[in-house]
Amino acid sequence: EPEVTQTPSHQVTQMGQEVILRCVPISNHLYFYWYRQILGQKVEFLVSFYNNEISEKSEIFDDQFSVERPDGSNFTLKIRSTKLEDSAMYFCASVSGQGNYGYTFGSGTRLTVV
Amino acid sequence: GDSVTQMEGPVTLSEEAFLTINCTYTATGYPSLFWYVQYPGEGLQLLLKATKADDKGSNKGFEATYRKETTSFHLEKGSVQVSDSAVYFCALKVAGGYNKLIFGAGTRLAVHP
Repeated sequence: EPEVTQTPSHQVTQMGQEVILRCVPISNHLYFYWYRQILGQKVEFLVSFYNNEISEKSEIFDDQFSVERPDGSNFTLKIRSTKLEDSAMYFCASVSGQGNYGYTFGSGTRLTVV
Repeated sequence: GDSVTQMEGPVTLSEEAFLTINCTYTATGYPSLFWYVQYPGEGLQLLLKATKADDKGSNKGFEATYRKETTSFHLEKGSVQVSDSAVYFCALKVAGGYNKLIFGAGTRLAVHP
């Protein structure tokens, strides 16, 4: 069964450093999303992306965050200057957009900011 | 705004017991409704979904029926197993397009032998 692949599975970074989280969505999917889950808390929407542009973003997704689809397969989330409170599990998701609402999530990247 | 409310956990059951996890929602129009499961240390897996009123989603012995009149999508399973121990998230997608999913807080289920 097709999967959404995320790398790395775990990243530790120092406060103030830039991090890039990578995702490879399912190949024929058209809509892409990033969510985060702070340990033990609810899953929160960050941003959605379609047709090479952001379609919606939450208030969490401030100027420190950016997304990109650089090569037609990868979908990246960049945090420019990490803060301790950015420590969370980050999930990428995609959906085909062809009448199927089966949003598929990756296994996540656990980001630890120290 | 649009939101999902789930019963608080943890829910602790013995193997073969009946499971109900309550989920209610607030949304305009006719949202699509989902249950996702998160096993320890893993990501979110789609368990089942329903896209219109009175639809029943089912998978792996789990069921949920989209009830417009009570704005609910309760998850049920007739006989749980230890392997069902996980966190269960109810979610909605507002009507129209491929909008974001809005998640409930999650309900932890622990099944003991």
